[in-house]
Amino acid sequence: GENVEQHPSTLSVQEGDSAVIKCTYSDSASNYFPWYKQELGKGPQLIIDIRSNVGEKKDQRIAVTLNKTAKHFSLHITETQPEDSAVYFCAATPYDYKLSFGAGTTVTVRA
Amino acid sequence: NAGVTQTPKFQVLKTGQSMTLQCAQDMNHNSMYWYRQDPGMGLRLIYYSASEGTTDKGEVPNGYNVSRLNKREFSLRLESAAPSQTSVYFCASSDRGFMNGYTFGSGTRLTVV
Repeated sequence: GENVEQHPSTLSVQEGDSAVIKCTYSDSASNYFPWYKQELGKGPQLIIDIRSNVGEKKDQRIAVTLNKTAKHFSLHITETQPEDSAVYFCAATPYDYKLSFGAGTTVTVRA
Repeated sequence: NAGVTQTPKFQVLKTGQSMTLQCAQDMNHNSMYWYRQDPGMGLRLIYYSASEGTTDKGEVPNGYNVSRLNKREFSLRLESAAPSQTSVYFCASSDRGFMNGYTFGSGTRLTVV
């Protein structure tokens, strides 16, 4: 099955700086790559996703890039704010159901 | 509000006791899932139901059973709870093709003593 690795496990950034989280996947047939944000005590929520026919997608301060050749994808958060502090998960799948998740990145934005 | 509803939110069990975690979604999604979340281990798939009438094992199915009662409801049963099953459990649902990714419930925090 699909195996997703995520780095780093923790990330501390100064407010206003950028944050980058990277994930690699094993199954070259994977075609859907979402990112989830989990705030303390809550379930994960989808923040952005990308499909394999697109190399980059942006939504305000959040962007995701995909390199199919290298089998990796990244989340970029610009102009970080305190409310960006959370755990972020990447995921991938070659199916139209059943995601495989990375282990998560705890992001702390320092004021 | 549309979404995934999990009950209960918190539960403490004694070793050997049984319980069922309930999950219901009102988005007409085909697929439903149970995950457990442990510190440093991310989200691990316990069981899933790709469509009504089917269920399959995920990465960590031992000690659990599931029932897809109908299209809306997907329950997770612990027959004989063990301390290793202390975790936060999340139910999620999705449509085929991930038009909107997964929708997660708010979780059940289970402690087995």
